Amino acid sequence: GENVGLHLPTLSVQEGDNSIINCAYSNSASDYFIWYKQESGKGPQFIIDIRSNMDKRQGQRVTVLLNKTVKHLSLQIAATQPGDSAVYFCAENISRGSQGNLIFGKGTKLSVKP
Amino acid sequence: DAGVIQSPRHEVTEMGQEVTLRCKPISGHDYLFWYRQTMMRGLELLIYFNNNVPIDDSGMPEDRFSAKMPNASFSTLKIQPSEPRDSAVYFCATGTRGNQPQHFGDGTRLSIL
Repeated sequence: GENVGLHLPTLSVQEGDNSIINCAYSNSASDYFIWYKQESGKGPQFIIDIRSNMDKRQGQRVTVLLNKTVKHLSLQIAATQPGDSAVYFCAENISRGSQGNLIFGKGTKLSVKP
Repeated sequence: DAGVIQSPRHEVTEMGQEVTLRCKPISGHDYLFWYRQTMMRGLELLIYFNNNVPIDDSGMPEDRFSAKMPNASFSTLKIQPSEPRDSAVYFCATGTRGNQPQHFGDGTRLSIL
């Protein structure tokens, strides 16, 4: 799909291992962050979000960590499965109560080896 | 919930032709976004609407691009005339109030020959 780029960072992990995908965001005023998963031929799919008043949030097999000091976001996937293979995007939003714009990172391709 | 519905899924046409992409948002979502995704530039916001009113169209590349939202259940993105460099995947996404994720359709893959 169009989400694969020449310079897309790639993370290759063994099935069952934990994955950590990192993202540096750009704007210190951003107050809402989202991780999306995009499979080939499909649109980005919401995984997990976090607000700037938190530094950690857990979902099912996923954890998002937010470090506002260094403007860094990470997505941890526990017990990675072949179905987790996709491109992962972080997105930041300066919402101030309105929907605002989402600014997407370039994405990281996760490949899971069986 | 049917999700965001885009049509067509694929479009191949010759340069100079008019192209119209369509989006049906999730019912109750009052924000609608059009994005373009390419290998080189990633996901770019083109325009977004709130309550059918265009709020920010600064991402629209040029006058050949136009978008409308005549009612809460339908939006179009039109390219006239189309050029090969417009080839990309175009996504529509919808959302509600702030600090809520946007929900994406599966996109229209556009190829201009």
